[in-house]
This record gives sequence, C-alpha cells and structure tokens, in this order.
Amino acid sequence: DVQLVESGGGLQQPGGSLRLSCAASGFTFSDYAMAWVRQTPGKGLEWVSNINGNGGSTFYAGSVRGRFIISRDNSKNTLYLQMTSLRAEDTAVYFCAKFSDTHFGELSPFDVWGQGTLVTVS
Amino acid sequence: EIVMTQSPATLSVSPGERATLSCRASQSVSTKIAWYRQKPGQAPRLLIYGASTRAPDIPARFSGSGSGTEFTLTINSPQSEDFAVYYCQQYNDWPPEYTFGQGTKLEIK
Repeated sequence: DVQLVESGGGLQQPGGSLRLSCAASGFTFSDYAMAWVRQTPGKGLEWVSNINGNGGSTFYAGSVRGRFIISRDNSKNTLYLQMTSLRAEDTAVYFCAKFSDTHFGELSPFDVWGQGTLVTVS
Repeated sequence: EIVMTQSPATLSVSPGERATLSCRASQSVSTKIAWYRQKPGQAPRLLIYGASTRAPDIPARFSGSGSGTEFTLTINSPQSEDFAVYYCQQYNDWPPEYTFGQGTKLEIK
C-alpha cells in the first residue's frame, strides 16, 4: 500500500525552527518527485516546495524561499522540510505529497498525500 | 502566478441531482488541471487529472471537462461521501508555482 506519514510538527515561537519528516512506503521513492503543501483555514491549500527524484532540483514558493529547505534521503525513503525563521503566517497543516508521474515528473498532479502534521507558530 | 477561481463557494444539491463545479484560470493552463476532494480532517484525494481523466479507483459518476482557462467537474448523483470540499489545481506553470482554487463546498440540500 502506498503511504506517506508526516511527523515533526508542533508549537514553535516566531523566529524558531522545525524540521518536518515524511516517511514513504509502497513505491520506489527515488523514482518520484515530491512536494510539501500546506493548508490554513484562511488561505486554503498552498504549495510550499518540491524536489525531484534525485534531490538535485528544488523549487520554493516565494513566501518561504530563503527560510525553508526541502531535501530527501532516498536511502531512508524520507522527505524533509527544514523550516527556519518561522512566522505566525507559517501556521498550517503541512502535507507531503507525491507527484503522480515518473515521466512528466513535476508537471503532474499529486496522487498520494500524507495525513498532515500541524505546525503552530505563536 | 496563475490564479485559480472556483465557483460557487457553496453548492447545495439534493441526493440524485447533478452537481456542476467550475474553475477558471487567470491564464491558459492547457489541460494541466486536477480536481481533489477533501473530507473533514482528511488529506485531499485526487479525482481527476489532465482536466478529464479519472484517477485510479475513482467512480464513473465523476467527470471533468474543459481546456485553456475554463474547467468543470461534474458529479452525477452524489453519494453521501461526496458531500465535501472540492479543489482545482493547475500544474502547468514552469518554474513551478502550483496554485489551487479556494474550494467549493458541496452540501446536501
């Protein structure tokens, strides 16, 4: 069964740091690009960052660029999001998500999502 | 940034009726649009991609159409589990700047 399980969320003060993890199983992790998407009641779903299969290419939303770093460890089937200089507006549920297509990679939709981990900055 | 606008914000339908949800892109996204359903407390689930292709295991009562800037998700005779929030998303932008609509809540009339 294809599964993504996030962890690492919690309460952090403004200016602080957190590292989110996403453990993947049930598919060949290194074949797929991965992403982080966050959700707030006010702003809805917001793409945060994505990374290609070998970790050599990363992209960020403007709201987090320079503060967040996405990475992956294909030997551990794990995706990470290192968050620094946290702001109140980073408060959200953070989902990791898998791109659906190995050929089109990051020009494909998200076909598998984790259950989400709540980050509160206050 | 490509802005995705969904309408209506809330759609009330009676069981057995057809539900039609709309999504408009601020510029052409070809057919690189997906639709997701999100139930309370759950992650979004992919329903439709490429504007009109059903994802695996998605029932035939869901259909999508459109290209360019105007898209529609149709749900024929929604079941109880379909009363949820629906989001459209474009994945045409490069460098990536994936954007979602603000959602349409489908409720029972």
